[in-house]
Amino acid sequence: GNSVTQMEGPVTLSEEAFLTINCTYTATGYPSLFWYVQYPGEGLQLLLKATKADDKGSNKGFEATYRKETTSFHLEKGSVQVSDSAVYFCALSPRGNTGKLIFGQGTTLQVKP
Amino acid sequence: NAGVTQTPKFQVLKTGQSMTLQCAQDMNHEYMSWYRQDPGMGLRLIHYSVGAGITDQGEVPNGYNVSRSTTEDFPLRLLSAAPSQTSVYFCASRSGKAGAGETQYFGPGTRLLVL
Repeated sequence: GNSVTQMEGPVTLSEEAFLTINCTYTATGYPSLFWYVQYPGEGLQLLLKATKADDKGSNKGFEATYRKETTSFHLEKGSVQVSDSAVYFCALSPRGNTGKLIFGQGTTLQVKP
Repeated sequence: NAGVTQTPKFQVLKTGQSMTLQCAQDMNHEYMSWYRQDPGMGLRLIHYSVGAGITDQGEVPNGYNVSRSTTEDFPLRLLSAAPSQTSVYFCASRSGKAGAGETQYFGPGTRLLVL
């Protein structure tokens, strides 16, 4: 079956620290991979995506590379800001254009000044 | 474009009551989905639709009904609410056209409390 596993949170960092949030997946075939972000009190917004192996998604200083060999899609940012405090969700969309998303459990990031 | 809209934003129900969560999108998207968000469990798919008149079950469909009579609307019905349905509910939509990408757009959510 399809599943996504994220590192447990919460993650607490100081401003300008380096961020890594681990994400691994299990899927049949080659899914598309996503990172969504949820700011307090809001819905989910797409942060970045990758649709095939070795693709790198990037946005707002965040990056993630689709690693087929390790079935991973780790989220990284070189220097976090207080405004990055949010919940981050890794997700996959199975092949076949079904419109479904399978989510990880979410990782809460808190950045302190 | 308003994107994906959901009503109400917050609702309190008593066990056994029924209600409908509304979801609408103005992007002419074929695909629409309902998810519930619970602490420590991420978002789980309840029901989804790939077009008007077509619906299917997701991971946690029990206790919920859906219908899709128009492209724009995808209401979620709770026929007899239970405390286990206390959650935050998100509606999402995406284009089903080839080459349009797979980005799903989410509504702001409905927070439901069942007493």
